[in-house]
Amino acid sequence: ETGVTQSPTHLIKTRGQQVTLRCSSQSGHNTVSWYQQALGQGPQFIFQYYREEENGRGNFPPRFSGLQFPNYSSELNVNALELDDSALYLCASSMGQGVSYEQYFGPGTRLTVT
Amino acid sequence: KNEVEQSPQNLTAQEGEFITINCSYSVGISALHWLQQHPGGGIVSLFMLSSGKKKHGRLIATINIQEKHSSLHITASHPRDSAVYICAAPEVQGAQKLVFGQGTRLTINP
Repeated sequence: ETGVTQSPTHLIKTRGQQVTLRCSSQSGHNTVSWYQQALGQGPQFIFQYYREEENGRGNFPPRFSGLQFPNYSSELNVNALELDDSALYLCASSMGQGVSYEQYFGPGTRLTVT
Repeated sequence: KNEVEQSPQNLTAQEGEFITINCSYSVGISALHWLQQHPGGGIVSLFMLSSGKKKHGRLIATINIQEKHSSLHITASHPRDSAVYICAAPEVQGAQKLVFGQGTRLTINP
Protein backbone atom coordinates (compact mmCIF):
# COMPACT_ATOMS: atom_id res chain seq x y z
CA GLU A 1 0.00 0.00 0.00
CA THR A 2 1.52 3.32 -1.09
CA GLY A 3 1.15 6.30 1.21
CA VAL A 4 0.29 9.86 0.23
CA THR A 5 2.98 11.47 -1.90
CA GLN A 6 3.47 15.09 -2.95
CA SER A 7 5.61 16.73 -5.58
CA PRO A 8 7.74 18.66 -5.78
CA THR A 9 9.33 18.66 -2.32
CA HIS A 10 10.59 22.20 -2.57
CA LEU A 11 9.88 24.98 -5.02
CA ILE A 12 11.06 28.57 -5.43
CA LYS A 13 8.94 30.94 -7.51
CA THR A 14 8.86 34.65 -8.21
CA ARG A 15 5.98 36.94 -7.28
CA GLY A 16 3.36 36.98 -10.04
CA GLN A 17 4.19 33.52 -11.34
CA GLN A 18 1.90 30.51 -11.28
CA VAL A 19 2.56 27.16 -9.58
CA THR A 20 1.07 23.66 -9.67
CA LEU A 21 1.50 21.28 -6.76
CA ARG A 22 0.62 17.59 -6.99
CA CYS A 23 -0.71 15.01 -4.57
CA SER A 24 -1.18 11.28 -5.02
CA SER A 25 -3.69 9.92 -2.57
CA GLN A 26 -3.42 6.64 -0.72
CA SER A 27 -4.79 3.62 -2.54
CA GLY A 28 -8.55 3.28 -2.00
CA HIS A 29 -9.03 6.91 -0.95
CA ASN A 30 -11.48 9.12 -2.86
CA THR A 31 -11.11 12.40 -0.96
CA VAL A 32 -8.24 14.88 -0.91
CA SER A 33 -7.95 17.99 1.25
CA TRP A 34 -5.37 20.72 0.82
CA TYR A 35 -3.92 22.85 3.62
CA GLN A 36 -1.54 25.80 3.78
CA GLN A 37 0.81 26.02 6.76
CA ALA A 38 2.77 29.24 7.16
CA LEU A 39 5.94 29.10 9.24
CA GLY A 40 5.13 28.77 12.92
CA GLN A 41 1.39 28.56 12.29
CA GLY A 42 -1.17 25.78 12.22
CA PRO A 43 -2.52 24.43 8.94
CA GLN A 44 -5.31 26.36 7.24
CA PHE A 45 -7.90 24.53 5.13
CA ILE A 46 -7.85 25.50 1.45
CA PHE A 47 -10.37 23.08 -0.07
CA GLN A 48 -11.46 19.47 -0.30
CA TYR A 49 -12.16 17.34 -3.36
CA TYR A 50 -14.43 14.32 -3.28
CA ARG A 51 -14.87 12.15 -6.38
CA GLU A 52 -13.51 14.91 -8.66
CA GLU A 53 -15.79 17.67 -7.31
CA GLU A 54 -14.89 20.50 -4.95
CA ASN A 55 -16.55 19.66 -1.66
CA GLY A 56 -15.87 22.61 0.61
CA ARG A 57 -13.56 25.58 0.52
CA GLY A 58 -11.77 27.64 3.13
CA ASN A 59 -11.13 31.37 3.17
CA PHE A 60 -8.78 31.52 0.19
CA PRO A 61 -9.11 33.72 -2.94
CA PRO A 62 -10.09 32.29 -6.34
CA ARG A 63 -6.47 32.33 -7.51
CA PHE A 64 -6.18 29.14 -5.44
CA SER A 65 -7.82 26.43 -7.52
CA GLY A 66 -7.70 22.68 -7.69
CA LEU A 67 -8.48 19.55 -9.60
CA GLN A 68 -9.05 15.93 -8.75
CA PHE A 69 -8.51 13.27 -11.37
CA PRO A 70 -10.34 9.97 -11.95
CA ASN A 71 -7.57 8.13 -10.07
CA TYR A 72 -8.24 10.57 -7.17
CA SER A 73 -4.86 12.25 -7.36
CA SER A 74 -5.11 16.00 -7.09
CA GLU A 75 -3.49 19.30 -8.09
CA LEU A 76 -3.40 22.64 -6.35
CA ASN A 77 -2.85 25.62 -8.64
CA VAL A 78 -1.96 29.07 -7.40
CA ASN A 79 -1.96 32.01 -9.83
CA ALA A 80 -0.39 35.43 -9.42
CA LEU A 81 1.82 34.32 -6.55
CA GLU A 82 2.28 36.71 -3.64
CA LEU A 83 5.04 36.75 -1.03
CA ASP A 84 2.52 35.62 1.62
CA ASP A 85 1.91 32.43 -0.34
CA SER A 86 5.26 31.17 0.94
CA ALA A 87 4.32 28.19 3.09
CA LEU A 88 4.25 24.41 3.44
CA TYR A 89 1.38 23.00 1.39
CA LEU A 90 -0.02 19.75 2.71
CA CYS A 91 -2.50 17.38 1.19
CA ALA A 92 -4.40 14.71 3.07
CA SER A 93 -6.39 11.84 1.63
CA SER A 94 -9.18 9.86 3.24
CA MET A 95 -11.74 7.20 2.45
CA GLY A 96 -14.74 9.52 2.43
CA GLN A 97 -15.88 13.11 2.29
CA GLY A 98 -15.78 15.27 5.35
CA VAL A 99 -13.27 14.82 8.13
CA SER A 100 -14.83 11.99 10.09
CA TYR A 101 -12.42 9.62 8.38
CA GLU A 102 -8.78 9.25 9.31
CA GLN A 103 -6.71 11.78 7.39
CA TYR A 104 -3.47 10.55 5.82
CA PHE A 105 -1.11 13.47 5.22
CA GLY A 106 1.61 13.75 2.63
CA PRO A 107 5.09 15.10 3.40
CA GLY A 108 4.23 18.52 2.00
CA THR A 109 5.61 20.88 -0.63
CA ARG A 110 7.55 23.85 0.68
CA LEU A 111 6.91 26.85 -1.57
CA THR A 112 9.05 29.96 -1.36
CA VAL A 113 7.93 33.07 -3.24
CA THR A 114 10.59 35.74 -3.75
CA LYS B 1 -17.65 27.35 14.51
CA ASN B 2 -15.43 25.13 16.55
CA GLU B 3 -12.67 26.64 18.62
CA VAL B 4 -9.90 24.23 19.49
CA GLU B 5 -7.54 25.01 22.34
CA GLN B 6 -4.50 23.03 23.44
CA SER B 7 -2.41 23.16 26.54
CA PRO B 8 0.37 23.49 27.26
CA GLN B 9 1.84 25.30 24.26
CA ASN B 10 5.36 24.19 25.16
CA LEU B 11 6.45 21.24 27.25
CA THR B 12 9.96 20.13 28.15
CA ALA B 13 10.51 16.89 30.05
CA GLN B 14 13.16 14.32 30.82
CA GLU B 15 13.36 10.99 29.08
CA GLY B 16 11.07 8.46 30.74
CA GLU B 17 8.52 10.94 32.04
CA PHE B 18 4.77 10.53 31.51
CA ILE B 19 3.45 13.26 29.21
CA THR B 20 -0.07 14.67 28.97
CA ILE B 21 -1.29 17.13 26.36
CA ASN B 22 -4.83 18.49 26.60
CA CYS B 23 -7.29 19.62 23.96
CA SER B 24 -10.66 21.34 24.41
CA TYR B 25 -13.18 22.17 21.73
CA SER B 26 -16.38 24.18 21.72
CA VAL B 27 -18.72 22.40 19.27
CA GLY B 28 -19.96 18.83 19.49
CA ILE B 29 -18.18 16.66 16.95
CA SER B 30 -18.15 13.16 15.57
CA ALA B 31 -14.40 12.64 15.65
CA LEU B 32 -11.26 14.35 16.87
CA HIS B 33 -7.80 13.94 15.38
CA TRP B 34 -4.41 13.89 17.04
CA LEU B 35 -1.51 14.64 14.72
CA GLN B 36 2.27 14.76 15.05
CA GLN B 37 4.59 17.06 13.15
CA HIS B 38 8.39 16.90 13.33
CA PRO B 39 10.39 20.09 12.61
CA GLY B 40 10.24 21.00 8.94
CA GLY B 41 8.27 17.86 8.24
CA GLY B 42 4.89 16.68 7.14
CA ILE B 43 2.10 15.61 9.46
CA VAL B 44 1.44 12.10 10.71
CA SER B 45 -1.99 11.07 11.91
CA LEU B 46 -1.71 9.46 15.35
CA PHE B 47 -5.34 8.88 16.26
CA MET B 48 -8.85 9.61 15.20
CA LEU B 49 -11.32 8.98 17.97
CA SER B 50 -14.96 9.58 18.61
CA SER B 51 -15.35 8.04 22.07
CA GLY B 52 -13.44 6.41 24.87
CA LYS B 53 -9.79 5.59 24.50
CA LYS B 54 -7.32 4.36 21.90
CA LYS B 55 -3.80 3.04 22.41
CA HIS B 56 -0.93 2.61 20.00
CA GLY B 57 2.39 1.60 21.47
CA ARG B 58 3.34 4.18 24.09
CA LEU B 59 0.67 6.63 22.95
CA ILE B 60 -2.80 6.79 24.48
CA ALA B 61 -5.62 9.13 23.45
CA THR B 62 -8.82 9.66 25.39
CA ILE B 63 -11.89 11.72 24.66
CA ASN B 64 -14.83 12.85 26.79
CA ILE B 65 -17.60 13.86 24.41
CA GLN B 66 -19.80 15.39 27.13
CA GLU B 67 -16.99 17.60 28.42
CA LYS B 68 -15.64 18.32 24.89
CA HIS B 69 -12.15 17.42 26.00
CA SER B 70 -9.45 15.07 24.81
CA SER B 71 -6.01 14.14 26.09
CA LEU B 72 -2.94 12.62 24.49
CA HIS B 73 -0.61 10.72 26.81
CA ILE B 74 2.88 9.43 26.12
CA THR B 75 4.29 6.83 28.48
CA ALA B 76 8.04 6.31 28.96
CA SER B 77 8.82 9.34 26.80
CA HIS B 78 11.87 9.27 24.55
CA PRO B 79 13.83 12.04 22.76
CA ARG B 80 12.42 10.80 19.42
CA ASP B 81 8.96 11.81 20.71
CA SER B 82 10.09 15.44 20.44
CA ALA B 83 7.72 17.05 17.95
CA VAL B 84 4.70 19.33 17.72
CA TYR B 85 1.45 17.59 18.65
CA ILE B 86 -1.72 19.01 17.19
CA CYS B 87 -5.35 18.23 17.86
CA ALA B 88 -7.90 18.99 15.17
CA ALA B 89 -11.69 18.86 15.05
CA PRO B 90 -14.32 19.44 12.38
CA GLU B 91 -15.33 23.10 12.07
CA VAL B 92 -18.93 22.05 12.63
CA GLN B 93 -20.58 18.64 12.79
CA GLY B 94 -20.28 17.03 9.36
CA ALA B 95 -17.94 19.70 7.99
CA GLN B 96 -15.24 19.15 5.38
CA LYS B 97 -12.87 21.47 7.19
CA LEU B 98 -10.64 20.67 10.14
CA VAL B 99 -9.93 23.35 12.71
CA PHE B 100 -6.50 22.91 14.28
CA GLY B 101 -5.31 23.69 17.75
CA GLN B 102 -2.22 25.85 18.06
CA GLY B 103 -0.05 22.81 18.73
CA THR B 104 2.05 21.70 21.68
CA ARG B 105 5.80 21.75 21.15
CA LEU B 106 7.21 18.79 23.11
CA THR B 107 10.91 18.46 23.85
CA ILE B 108 12.19 15.34 25.58
CA ASN B 109 15.73 15.65 26.91
CA PRO B 110 17.94 12.56 27.32
